[in-house]
Amino acid sequence: EIVLTQSPGTLSLSPGERATLSCRASQSLGDNYLAWYQQKPGQAPRLLIYDVFYRPAGIPDRFSGSGSGTDFILTISRLEPEDFAVYYCQQYSRSPRTFGQGTKVEIK
Amino acid sequence: EVQLVESGGGLVQPGGSLRLSCEGSGFTFSLHAMNWVRQAPGKGLEWLSYITASGAATQYGDSVKGRFIVSRDNVKNSLFLHLSNLRDDDTAVYYCVRGVAADSWRADYWGQGTLVSVSS
Repeated sequence: EIVLTQSPGTLSLSPGERATLSCRASQSLGDNYLAWYQQKPGQAPRLLIYDVFYRPAGIPDRFSGSGSGTDFILTISRLEPEDFAVYYCQQYSRSPRTFGQGTKVEIK
Repeated sequence: EVQLVESGGGLVQPGGSLRLSCEGSGFTFSLHAMNWVRQAPGKGLEWLSYITASGAATQYGDSVKGRFIVSRDNVKNSLFLHLSNLRDDDTAVYYCVRGVAADSWRADYWGQGTLVSVSS
């Protein structure tokens, strides 16, 4: 099973600041099959990034993904009030598909 | 607009069974693989199962293998998860999640979830 470790656990930032979230895989994802999701309290997760880099239609361009192999990054260039939430990475390279434990981005 | 609506959750005793349903609309249900993912209260996300668009192939996470069965009815645009031999730690919100293609492991849309509570 591929274990995804997200860091930090909590990120305390102010609106307008840049957020950098990390996701490290226990094995290389050579096919770049990694996604990022955003989840707000009481809501289902929403897909932000797939295949490491790509944004689905409707996702603002302040969200960007990067990385390769075992190390991946989600960057939020300038935090908007609605961006304070929990973020999960997920790999779909091998079964079982696995999620990271989440990073909470909170208002400082 | 893609919509996924889960139903069937509720309170069940340990050792009991339950069947969850998910109805899809706003897309051609029979062309998409589907998944179930759960989230225990205050915890992270756990992938549970996958079924191809045709229903010919299924996969399960280790924690539910042998206890949960995924199936689908493409005529009724519905996905099912039969839960049996339920344990306290199966308490969670259960989400159905759409695959982007017939046999793709990549997913996009999520339903709002249905809560399963296992307790005596």
